[in-house]
Amino acid sequence: AQSVTQLGSHVSVSEGALVLLRCNYSSSVPPYLFWYVQYPNQGLQLLLKYTSAATLVKGINGFEAEFKKSETSFHLTKPSAHMSDAAEYFCAVSGLANTGNQFYFGTGTSLTVIP
Amino acid sequence: KAGVTQTPRYLIKTRGQQVTLSCSPISGHRSVSWYQQTPGQGLQFLFEYFSETQRNKGNFPGRFSGRQFSNSRSEMNVSTLELGDSALYLCASSLSLNVGTYEQYFGPGTRLTVT
Repeated sequence: AQSVTQLGSHVSVSEGALVLLRCNYSSSVPPYLFWYVQYPNQGLQLLLKYTSAATLVKGINGFEAEFKKSETSFHLTKPSAHMSDAAEYFCAVSGLANTGNQFYFGTGTSLTVIP
Repeated sequence: KAGVTQTPRYLIKTRGQQVTLSCSPISGHRSVSWYQQTPGQGLQFLFEYFSETQRNKGNFPGRFSGRQFSNSRSEMNVSTLELGDSALYLCASSLSLNVGTYEQYFGPGTRLTVT
């Protein structure tokens, strides 16, 4: 069963425009949720995480995400895109029942920023 | 604090050979997870080690194996390499004191090419 779904494998935005990357999870119990970014030929870097504290989570580089239990969503946003935001973004979930510390990653969304 | 390191960064092997990849986690982290990343399959979980014990395992053939040492350093081994094993292999470490609540920190990866 797919634990994390990222809608849109490719997203293009103009520089200065709003960035919205979508992530939905499938779990009856709110899990722990994460967003990671991957630049070419590099590992994944943590942007932010949700661990049942505030539903609006602020991360690095101006990104934030809102946990919405009713919509089982954890979408990533940034008010104004920069050229340096062009990268691959992954949503991940952990803490699912009987899975130990295993992380489940979405298929990723490639963000292109148009000058 | 030093990040997760992986060696080697690049590797070229021939079909049928075997390979060993190494990962040194962040100091104090006892959990090490391994992932295979390919353009077609995305990020796939291989296995996780915690205190020298394999705690979780993904859906990979037995040719893929791993181990963790008492200093938390981990190695993964792939025997009888196939062309389809060409991928970026990522290692991630975590405190993992409370299951699922701690983020994973990724190394830069080892790019394996099988010819």
